[in-house]
Amino acid sequence: GENVEQHPSTLSVQEGDSAVIKCTYSDSASNYFPWYKQELGKRPQLIIDIRSNVGEKKDQRIAVTLNKTAKHFSLHITETQPEDSAVYFCAATGTYKYIFGTGTRLKVLA
Amino acid sequence: EPEVTQTPSHQVTQMGQEVILRCVPISNHLYFYWYRQILGQKVEFLVSFYNNEISEKSEIFDDQFSVERPDGSNFTLKIRSTKLEDSAMYFCASSDWEGVYNEQFFGPGTRLTVL
Repeated sequence: GENVEQHPSTLSVQEGDSAVIKCTYSDSASNYFPWYKQELGKRPQLIIDIRSNVGEKKDQRIAVTLNKTAKHFSLHITETQPEDSAVYFCAATGTYKYIFGTGTRLKVLA
Repeated sequence: EPEVTQTPSHQVTQMGQEVILRCVPISNHLYFYWYRQILGQKVEFLVSFYNNEISEKSEIFDDQFSVERPDGSNFTLKIRSTKLEDSAMYFCASSDWEGVYNEQFFGPGTRLTVL
C-alpha cells in the first residue's frame, strides 16, 4: 500500500546550524508534497510544498527538494532558530488523501 | 485569512457513546477530509468527501464512522459507539483542488477522550 517513510525521528541541532529531514514515498502517482510543522497541541501548519513538476523550491530559510526518480523529497532549514523547534511531517498525495510520514521532532538548542 | 474551524476543542465521552465532531470548512472549498492523530503518532487519513458523497476512505473508517454535510457550511464526523482506541485528535481539512494539486487546510482539531 501507499507509504511515506521519514527520517530521522528526532533531530537536535545547535541554533544557527542547518537541519535536513528526508522522506521517501512509494506511490509513483504522487504529485504534490507538502511539509507541515506541528507545535505541541496545535494543528499542522503548512510551511512549504512542492509540486511534481518542480525539483526545488525555496522560501527564505526553508527549502524543499524533490527527486521523482528516486521518490525522495527533503526539507532543508538553514540558520535554525529556537522557534523552529516542533514536529515536522512530510506528506505525499496524488489523489484525495494525504499520506503522512511518521514525523521528525526537531529540537534547536540555544 | 479564512481558516477551518472545529468544535468542540475537547470532547470527553464514555465508551459505547455516540459522538459528533463538527467542522466548518473554508467557505469556497469543495473537498473535505477527516484525519486522526493518536497521541505521539502520525496523522492518518480517515475519509474524503466531495459532492455530498464519500470519495475515498481508509481501513480505519469502518461502519462505526459516518460523515455528513448537513447544510452549506458544516461537515461532521460521527462515531456511533466509541471505543477506547478512538481516543485521538481529530482534524478536519478542506481544499479547493487546483487541477491535479491538492493543498489542504487543517482545522485546530478536536481532542476526543474515550473513558
